[in-house]
Amino acid sequence: TQLLEQSPQFLSIQEGENLTVYCNSSSVFSSLQWYRQEPGEGPVLLVTVVTGGEVKKLKRLTFQFGDARKDSSLHITAAQPGDTGLYLCAGFTGGGNKLTFGTGTQLKVEL
Amino acid sequence: KAGVTQTPRYLIKTRGQQVTLSCSPISGHRSVSWYQQTPGQGLQFLFEYFSETQRNKGNFPGRFSGRQFSNSRSEMNVSTLELGDSALYLCASSTWGGATEAFFGQGTRLTVV
Repeated sequence: TQLLEQSPQFLSIQEGENLTVYCNSSSVFSSLQWYRQEPGEGPVLLVTVVTGGEVKKLKRLTFQFGDARKDSSLHITAAQPGDTGLYLCAGFTGGGNKLTFGTGTQLKVEL
Repeated sequence: KAGVTQTPRYLIKTRGQQVTLSCSPISGHRSVSWYQQTPGQGLQFLFEYFSETQRNKGNFPGRFSGRQFSNSRSEMNVSTLELGDSALYLCASSTWGGATEAFFGQGTRLTVV
């Protein structure tokens, strides 16, 4: 069974703080995605990383894929209340669109 | 373009009953995947359909089944419901191929009593 462990599980911070969420596995993934899910909604894709060592930036969000393609991180700079949500990493392992999701990180950003 | 539509949004069923959930993908998307989301287990893959054929299957008992129609719409069925089947069931619509973007519906919240 391929598992993706995320840490921390919960994070409550003040507006303006920086944070990093980690996604770790003992398995290799061909590519990895990060999603954000808000209450009552399905997950929404933030980014896809494909190459080991790849770094992608999306405004205040920076995503990194580990060199061995077993881990990833999400760094948010100057968090805002609008960043509140459940952050999920998800990996592709083979053909088709089957995603193995991480355990999730619930982020709350307060004013 | 219209998003992924799942019906119904909420459902309450009794143990032992069966239930059918529906998913209409984004127009032009031929791959539909189903996931179960619970507080304890998180998001778990159920199965994926493409061109009316099941392409991938997760580790769920045979009580969970699905199908896809020629217009790409998909249904999943759960028979002999158990309390532990209470969950948010999410449908994802994609094009076929690796590392594609999955567009999720709002889900069906199933409660088994």
